[in-house]
Amino acid sequence: AQSVAQPEDQVNVAEGNPLTVKCTYSVSGNPYLFWYVQYPNRGLQFLLKYITGDNLVKGSYGFEAEFNKSQTSFHLKKPSALVSDSALYFCAVRGYTGRRALTFGSGTRLQVQP
Amino acid sequence: DGGITQSPKYLFRKEGQNVTLSCEQNLNHDAMYWYRQDPGQGLRLIYYSQIVNDFQKGDIAEGYSVSREKKESFPLTVTSAQKNPTAFYLCASSINDLGNQPQHFGDGTRLSIL
Repeated sequence: AQSVAQPEDQVNVAEGNPLTVKCTYSVSGNPYLFWYVQYPNRGLQFLLKYITGDNLVKGSYGFEAEFNKSQTSFHLKKPSALVSDSALYFCAVRGYTGRRALTFGSGTRLQVQP
Repeated sequence: DGGITQSPKYLFRKEGQNVTLSCEQNLNHDAMYWYRQDPGQGLRLIYYSQIVNDFQKGDIAEGYSVSREKKESFPLTVTSAQKNPTAFYLCASSINDLGNQPQHFGDGTRLSIL
């Protein structure tokens, strides 16, 4: 079985400060990992993915994520937060084999204060 | 522009009524997915289809049905057997179901009970 944990329901940061949104996962074998962002009453937008290769993945809007195999984590980061980054963020995982669909975390609401 | 179109944006269901949510994509994607989103629970997979004329149950398929007669279309029927249908429903597609490609999402249908 595959699963994703996003331990924080909400993360608050001040504009201009670095942000981290945490994600840990469980999957058999190697993982495909994704981050998505959702704005109110909209669908999810793809931010970045880890498939293989470099552990640091760069994505859209200045976001990046670090894959850590030993800690089974894939935390989302940004060096300098913007008020417009305020949204709901989802981590998702799928194994190379097994279930042929993504499993999503419960989401983390990011609030960036001006 | 290429994308996924979900309709209607809002839908109301009466007791004992079946309702159908539309999902159309012009991305030429093989795989399509239906998710249900409830507050604080992230996305849960209802059904997915890897290719035309084929689909599989997800985690919460009871009370729902789908068809995939055309590559572009993957309608979801919420039947009267689904006792708690109030939720935000999201449709997604991906180039294939190999797992290494991101999913593209529509803007959702919000279903409520009258």
